[in-house]
Amino acid sequence: EIVMTQSPATLSVSPGERATLSCRASQSVSSNLAWYQQKPGQAPRLLIYGASTRATGIPARFSGSGSGTEFTLTISSLQSEDFAVYYCQQYNNWLFTFGPGTKVDIK
Amino acid sequence: QVQLQESGPGLVKPSETLSLTCAVSGYSISSGYYWGWIRQPPGKGLEWIGSIYHSGSTYYNPSLKSRVTISVDTSKNQFSLKLSSVTAADTAVYYCARLWIGKPFDYWGQGTLVTVSS
Repeated sequence: EIVMTQSPATLSVSPGERATLSCRASQSVSSNLAWYQQKPGQAPRLLIYGASTRATGIPARFSGSGSGTEFTLTISSLQSEDFAVYYCQQYNNWLFTFGPGTKVDIK
Repeated sequence: QVQLQESGPGLVKPSETLSLTCAVSGYSISSGYYWGWIRQPPGKGLEWIGSIYHSGSTYYNPSLKSRVTISVDTSKNQFSLKLSSVTAADTAVYYCARLWIGKPFDYWGQGTLVTVSS
């Protein structure tokens, strides 16, 4: 099983600032890495797939990078609606695994 | 617009079988894609349970494989989850979702909370 880790666990950011979230895989997942946003009481929402491709309708302030075992999600200028929990997920094989999440809250 | 909706009992007794159904609208399951179940214990992270193709081929999380059965009913455009011998550790919000080979989950249901308690 590929273990996903995320850091930091919590990120406190002021609106308008930049947020950088990290995700690491225990072994290479190539570019088969997705990022999701989840708000309280809601299902996860796909933001990024293929490590760097924005899903349909996702604003350009969200960007992803990385390959292999190290990945980054960057939110260039945080809006009020961006405060949420973010999960990474690898889909390199048929045992999909998620990271534990990074909570982005208001500083 | 693809929509998924989970349904089933919100309370299941320990040792019994949890049964949920995901109704799909806006897309025919027979047209392709894989369909999956993911769960999230209260206040915790996400765990993939398993996925099924319209032909019936399945993939399961090895940690749950001995207790899980996922099936598809193309005539009703829905797929189902059965999880046997449940314990309190199976209490979670259960989501159904769509995915394709080499792609992540793109459409999700709203989720349904299942509590295991006597």
